[in-house]
Amino acid sequence: AQSVAQPEDQVNVAEGNPLTVKCTYSVSGNPYLFWYVQYPNRGLQFLLKYITGDNLVKGSYGFEAEFNKSQTSFHLKKPSALVSDSALYFCAVRDITGNTPLVFGKGTRLSVIA
Amino acid sequence: EAQVTQNPRYLITVTGKKLTVTCSQNMNHEYMSWYRQDPGLGLRQIYYSMNVEVTDKGDVPEGYKVSRKEKRNFPLILESPSPNQTSLYFCASSLRGAGGPSGNIQYFGAGTRLSVL
Repeated sequence: AQSVAQPEDQVNVAEGNPLTVKCTYSVSGNPYLFWYVQYPNRGLQFLLKYITGDNLVKGSYGFEAEFNKSQTSFHLKKPSALVSDSALYFCAVRDITGNTPLVFGKGTRLSVIA
Repeated sequence: EAQVTQNPRYLITVTGKKLTVTCSQNMNHEYMSWYRQDPGLGLRQIYYSMNVEVTDKGDVPEGYKVSRKEKRNFPLILESPSPNQTSLYFCASSLRGAGGPSGNIQYFGAGTRLSVL
């Protein structure tokens, strides 16, 4: 069975500092990995995905994520946080083998403090 | 504008009173899905549909029904709502299931906040 773990419920960072939101996954085969963001009173929006190729994936709003197969991780990063980045972030995974649905983590709330 | 539209956005009802939450997408997507979001539990899939007339249970299907008679619509039906179904519900669609070779992106509706008293 596939699963996703986001070990931090909350991440606080000062504006201008780098941020990291952690995600680890478990799949039986190779993964498709995604990050989504949810702003207050909104649905989830796609940020970036890893399918294959370069382990460093760049996405929307200056975010990037690094796929690390040996550590089964897909941490979300941004070099310089903005107050407007404050939101709920979800990591998601599915196994590329078979026709399995996307599995989401429980979410990490990011607060960027001015 | 490409979008997934859910209605209503907010709903307060009483135990046992049947309700339907509608979901419509204008992107000609094959795959559609319903999730519920609860604090501390993240998103959990209720039902999904790979195409017209094809639906499957997700992780938490009990107490819910769905239908997919047309490609664009995927309503969620609660035949006899109970207080434990109080939650925030999201509909999502993608060009094909996340099982496709491109691992397609899911587009989400704005959500329906349901309270069952």
